[in-house]
Amino acid sequence: DSGVTQTPKHLITATGQRVTLRCSPRSGDLSVYWYQQSLDQGLQFLIQYYNGEERAKGNILERFSAQQFPDLHSELNLSSLELGDSALYFCASSVAGTSGSPDTQYFGPGTRLTVL
Amino acid sequence: GNSVTQMEGPVTLSEEAFLTINCTYTATGYPSLFWYVQYPGEGLQLLLKATKADDKGSNKGFEATYRKETTSFHLEKGSVQVSDSAVYFCALSNDYKLSFGAGTTVTVRA
Repeated sequence: DSGVTQTPKHLITATGQRVTLRCSPRSGDLSVYWYQQSLDQGLQFLIQYYNGEERAKGNILERFSAQQFPDLHSELNLSSLELGDSALYFCASSVAGTSGSPDTQYFGPGTRLTVL
Repeated sequence: GNSVTQMEGPVTLSEEAFLTINCTYTATGYPSLFWYVQYPGEGLQLLLKATKADDKGSNKGFEATYRKETTSFHLEKGSVQVSDSAVYFCALSNDYKLSFGAGTTVTVRA
């Protein structure tokens, strides 16, 4: 058990809908990262938050957004869903995550999103 | 930019066989290198890491050495078990994010 929790475990929805994925980092970790794992793209970094502020963006679509709350949990919002958004979405956390001094990232169990 | 190249799988082995998964990388600066493992139906678990050249990471009988001259971080285990069946990901980080290889599926047969 990494100490990172994600809910829900599974999510099935229809195209055009909006969903919210939730992540709670390990106790004491300030950084949260979101990754998408799909068969065709592999594991792709989406976005990082550090202590409530957006720190870095990767291959995140404009239809997707995230935030980190004062209690450090994070939510990833996916809207106008398309079939191609079906994937495993992982959250990871680390102590800090600053440029030039990479932390070890610990991953949650993931949320499997199926868009029908 | 950063990139990681792993040997393609799938890899099928018999129990007690020797396992090697090749990993090479391209990166600016001095990245940290990681191996993560994903067991069926589960999330990613950190297997081992190395943060500077010539460091050896080890865990659960797995080892990998950070080779800067060959930009490699090959994963090895001397005697695999059925329970080692999983997908193995090589990854690097020199800033805020992890860049992953495509993953190598390993199946160990009794």
